[in-house]
Amino acid sequence: DAGVTQSPTHLIKTRGQQVTLRCSPKSGHDTVSWYQQALGQGPQFIFQYYEEEERQRGNFPDRFSGHQFPNYSSELNVNALLLGDSALYLCASSLERVSAEAFFGQGTRLTVV
Amino acid sequence: GQSLEQPSEVTAVEGAIVQINCTYQTSGFYGLSWYQQHDGGAPTFLSYNALDGLEETGRFSSFLSRSDSYGYLLLQELQMKDSASYFCAVRAPSGGGADGLTFGKGTHLIIQP
Repeated sequence: DAGVTQSPTHLIKTRGQQVTLRCSPKSGHDTVSWYQQALGQGPQFIFQYYEEEERQRGNFPDRFSGHQFPNYSSELNVNALLLGDSALYLCASSLERVSAEAFFGQGTRLTVV
Repeated sequence: GQSLEQPSEVTAVEGAIVQINCTYQTSGFYGLSWYQQHDGGAPTFLSYNALDGLEETGRFSSFLSRSDSYGYLLLQELQMKDSASYFCAVRAPSGGGADGLTFGKGTHLIIQP
């Protein structure tokens, strides 16, 4: 049983560009959450998707957007990249949107230059 | 909003016991989770407390006091592989009905031989 998979694993982008990160949840999970983790910090909640809708959003600007597909996979899009967007982006899936246990992927390391 | 406080670094000796504390402030509360993250790895779920008291899972135990807004993670019989960052995370209700996790900044646990 595959766990949470994310692609790509590493990415380098130029300031001002746009990026799309992808996540496939653990088999059977219907809820996907995205987190940003800066070096030496804890993950910060970006948003959560359930039934193809954004159900909750953290303190992130509208440059951050997402999508969930009928197969529960998800994408995170970031527009107009800033140097400060450089971070590890983590996807977490859970069985229910209020599940206590979230399963994390290995993340995508985004570097903005 | 929510905020969590935990020590930035703890050092312990192999074979010993260590406790990592976490205090939180939230406008609502479902429960407190603990995650382990090795350098370069994904956060992995360790435990979850929704009610007051101690939860034990092998060498790891987690405690919660809702009245004190306080919890801790207890690691026994420490092994070198336990060297990692440990995050407490709060699940709290939001207006959207879904809930992402709010993480602390993490405690870097250093195990010495």
